Amino acid sequence: AQSVTQLGSHVSVSEGALVLLRCNYSSSVPPYLFWYVQYPNQGLQLLLKYTSAATLVKGINGFEAEFKKSETSFHLTKPSAHMSDAAEYFCAVTVNFGNEKLTFGTGTRLTIIP
Amino acid sequence: DAMVIQNPRYQVTQFGKPVTLSCSQTLNHNVMYWYQQKSSQAPKLLFHYYDKDFNNEADTPDNFQSRRPNTSFCFLDIRSPGLGDAAMYLCATSTEGRYQETQYFGPGTRLLVL
Repeated sequence: AQSVTQLGSHVSVSEGALVLLRCNYSSSVPPYLFWYVQYPNQGLQLLLKYTSAATLVKGINGFEAEFKKSETSFHLTKPSAHMSDAAEYFCAVTVNFGNEKLTFGTGTRLTIIP
Repeated sequence: DAMVIQNPRYQVTQFGKPVTLSCSQTLNHNVMYWYQQKSSQAPKLLFHYYDKDFNNEADTPDNFQSRRPNTSFCFLDIRSPGLGDAAMYLCATSTEGRYQETQYFGPGTRLLVL
């Protein structure tokens, strides 16, 4: 079965600094990877997804992620943090084999320091 | 705007008293999902409908049931809520339920069990 691991349940960055949220996956077949964002008391919103096309994926709100097969990683980055980026971020994986359900990581809470 | 709507946003029930949560969608998607998300945890898939076909996750307790009377609506019934069922319940939809598709989430219903 596939899985994702998000390193760091809490990440704090200063406004204007680089945001880096880490996600590593485990899958025996090619994965499809997603980043979702959840603002307080709201549902999840898709930021971006990797579906075996370009390895560098650009998403909404200035976020991007790079699929690195050799490192089994799909880290999320943003060059300059904004106060509105404060939220919970979930990495998720699915595969085109067997049980295709979306499996989420445990999330990373991003805090922006003014 | 097409969207996923969940009512109510907050639900308080008593221990053992049946409760129903509602989800509706204007996206005309074939697939509807129910997730349970406990505090600081990843969303956990309970079950999903592909059109009228019900798919239950193996570890979903029998206490949880679902109904989908038509394409637009889906209900989550908790027959005898326990204290451990207090959580955010998220409804999501997708077009065909394929692995690479985006899931569109509603804002969630936060359930409190007294």
